[in-house]
Formats: sequence, C-alpha cells, structure tokens
Amino acid sequence: ETGVTQTPRHLVMGMTNKKSLKCEQHLGHNAMYWYKQSAKKPLELMFVYNFKEQTENNSVPSRFSPECPNSSHLFLHLHTLQPEDSALYLCASSQESSDTEAFFGQGTRLTVV
Amino acid sequence: AQSVTQPDIHITVSEGASLELRCNYSYGATPYLFWYVQSPGQGLQLLLKYFSGDTLVQGIKGFEAEFKRSQSSFNLRKPSVHWSDAAEYFCAAFSGGYNKLIFGAGTRLAVHP
Repeated sequence: ETGVTQTPRHLVMGMTNKKSLKCEQHLGHNAMYWYKQSAKKPLELMFVYNFKEQTENNSVPSRFSPECPNSSHLFLHLHTLQPEDSALYLCASSQESSDTEAFFGQGTRLTVV
Repeated sequence: AQSVTQPDIHITVSEGASLELRCNYSYGATPYLFWYVQSPGQGLQLLLKYFSGDTLVQGIKGFEAEFKRSQSSFNLRKPSVHWSDAAEYFCAAFSGGYNKLIFGAGTRLAVHP
C-alpha cells in the first residue's frame, strides 16, 4: 500500500464510451501524475499537475482529458478512445513536481474494444 | 536527448543465485537515479535511489545499486535471489533541467526454484 489509490482497477470500454479514471492520495503531496504503460514500451509520462495546475502535457491526444480539482484527487476522462489506447494507466504523486521520489498507485488496466 | 536504457528485456536466475540488472543513462549531467519494482497487476514500488554521495546505495528487500559515473551506469544487484523477487524492474532517471522522470523499458525477472 503506497498511499495512492486508483479506481477502477480494471475497465473495459467501447470506442464510443465516455469513462473516467480516478486517483486519490492522502500523503499530503502537491504533485500528481498520469503515466501510460503499454506492453514492451517504457512508461510514458502523460500529464503533470503541481498545486492543482497542469504543468506538463506530453503531447497527449485530446481524447484524454485530465482534471485535478484539488491536490488529493486526479481524474483522467476518456472519450472516443482507440484500441491502441489499451494499457495500464498509472497515477503517481510526489511532494512537488521537482521532488523526484514518486509514489505510484496500482494502476487501472484499460481495454478498449 | 535524455534516455535510460535497460539492455536486458528478460533475465532468468535460479533461487539463491546472485543477480545484476543493468541500467545505463544518457544525460548531460548526472541525474538522480532510481530503481522501481513492479509485481504483476501492481503499481511501481521504489527500491532505492541515488542523489549524491556514496555511490553504493542500499535499498529495500536486500537490493543495492552502484552508480558508476565513468560508465553512466546504475546497476541493481542482489546477492541471493528469492522466488518472491520475480517481477519487472524499472530503472529511472530525473534531470532537473528537464524536470521529468524518465523510465527504461524494464527488465522482467524470472526465478527458477
């Protein structure tokens, strides 16, 4: 248990669906991250939020829309996804975005059909 | 561009044998370096980190890693592997100039009884 909780753990969605991934941390951290982990590829940083402000968007397609209502919660809204978006989506948090020790959630395994 | 390379995709060792997982980085300056472990279906757990000082760092679960500037390497070692060490291991590097944590592609470790 790292203190970072992701829900749901598994999600299957059609290409026309809209769904959201949720991440929650109660570690008092101010930075939160979304990573995508695909088979046989390095972890890809998608978004960084620092003190609720988005500080990095790593050229992510607009069908992924993040939301950070407060420092403890991070969402990833999904719509009109493609099968190649199937992956493990990992949330992480750290004290600040310049603090390099990140704590990861268990991930949401997303399958787009 | 900055990068982290893990040359070995898969490694198999016998239980009780020693282990070394390789990691090389390519950065203009010495980055902060990390090893994470991911068990099946789980998120990433930090094993150890190197920021500065002693080049041999100790981590959890009996792991250690040695930073070698001349070789741009940060190899992970364990003297005697246990079956529970079977997992995927990720090397990561953070450079303040890029303000980004970059991961290698991972090494999957299998342990034979």
